[in-house]
Amino acid sequence: AQSVTQLGSHVSVSEGALVLLRCNYSSSVPPYLFWYVQYPNQGLQLLLKYTTGATLVKGINGFEAEFKKSETSFHLTKPSAHMSDAAEYFCAVSEGTGRRALTFGSGTRLQVQP
Amino acid sequence: EAGVTQFPSHSVIEKGQTVTLRCDPISGHDNLYWYRRVMGKEIKFLLHFVKESKQDESGMPNNRFLAERTGGTYSTLKVQPAELEDSGVYFCASSQGAWTGGTEAFFGQGTRLTVV
Repeated sequence: AQSVTQLGSHVSVSEGALVLLRCNYSSSVPPYLFWYVQYPNQGLQLLLKYTTGATLVKGINGFEAEFKKSETSFHLTKPSAHMSDAAEYFCAVSEGTGRRALTFGSGTRLQVQP
Repeated sequence: EAGVTQFPSHSVIEKGQTVTLRCDPISGHDNLYWYRRVMGKEIKFLLHFVKESKQDESGMPNNRFLAERTGGTYSTLKVQPAELEDSGVYFCASSQGAWTGGTEAFFGQGTRLTVV
């Protein structure tokens, strides 16, 4: 069975600082990995995803994530935080077979301080 | 193009009552999913439709939950009778084409259900 662990339910950074949101997964087969973001009063929006190929994936709004198989990690980073990045971020995993749906982590709420 | 739309956005009902949530997927998306997030925990899968057929309903918590997708278009999720532990945010998502694992799912804004 697949699972996702997001370290830190709340992360606070200063505007302009590095954003690092951690995600570790477990999967019995090569995983497909996703980061979704939820802004207040909105639905989940896909930030980026890893399927195959290049392990460094670039997404929208300057975010990127690196798939590290040896560490079973898919951490999300952004070099410089902006106030508009304040939201809740969800890491998710899926597999090519079996259940055709996403397994989510518990989410990390990012706060950006001025 | 309209995204995934969910109705209502909020619902407050008493324990024992019935509530029906509705989801309108993106037009042409055969796959429709229901997920639920309870009390700030992880978002959990409930079930998956392919057109009007239930592909996977292994995540449905119990038989008080009934999902339908008439004609392969919109879907409803009925909770009858509602219990306190059913409170949470119910998300609907849709995706296009055959599942590949890397398929992007588009989410609605969710329905926040509060059972008192």
